[in-house]
Amino acid sequence: DIQMTQSPSTLSASVGDRVTITCRPSQSISTWLAWYQHKREKAPKLLIYKASSLDSGVPSRFSGSGSGTEFTLTISSLQPDDFATYFCQQYDSYPYTFGQGTKLEVK
Amino acid sequence: QVQLVQSGSEVKKPGASVKVSCKTSGYSFVTYNMDWVRQAPGQGLEWMGWINTHNGNPTYAQGFTGRFVFSLDTSVSTAYLQISNLKAEDTAVYFCARRIGNLYKFSYYFHIDVWGKGTTVTVSS
Repeated sequence: DIQMTQSPSTLSASVGDRVTITCRPSQSISTWLAWYQHKREKAPKLLIYKASSLDSGVPSRFSGSGSGTEFTLTISSLQPDDFATYFCQQYDSYPYTFGQGTKLEVK
Repeated sequence: QVQLVQSGSEVKKPGASVKVSCKTSGYSFVTYNMDWVRQAPGQGLEWMGWINTHNGNPTYAQGFTGRFVFSLDTSVSTAYLQISNLKAEDTAVYFCARRIGNLYKFSYYFHIDVWGKGTTVTVSS
């Protein structure tokens, strides 16, 4: 199975900050990686697929980059609604696997 | 809009069974296949497998064979997850999630584009 190492596990930031979350698969997955946002009691929401494609309706302050074994999710200017948990998922091969998540909290 | 509405929380005793439903709306149910994902308390997300909504064929990840069954009722656009002989370690939030494919060099790569809110299943004596 492909192990997904996501960092950091917790990130403290302020509104307006630029933040970056990293995901490192244990083997190359080309660009078959998605990023999701999850808030308590809500359905996770797709932000980015194929490493850098922004899903429809997702604000442009979210961006994804990377390929192979290193990927990043960047939020260019944090908004109050962005404080949530973020996780990555590889879909290059079965079984699909997820990062452990990054909790983005208010500094 | 596209919605996946899951059934409510369940509390079950060890050895019992539970059936979680995932009712969809806003799209053609048989056009998109469905994944199931589990999150145990304090743990990360774990992919359980998927079901082909066109023919009902399920694919289970290792560790989710035997007691776990994916099924469908296409007449009501609903997917189901049934877990039998429940164990304490089955305590988790179970998510249904719609998958969408990208065709690349004659192969499809599927990612999840819409999730349900999750159903909490608690197994306790």
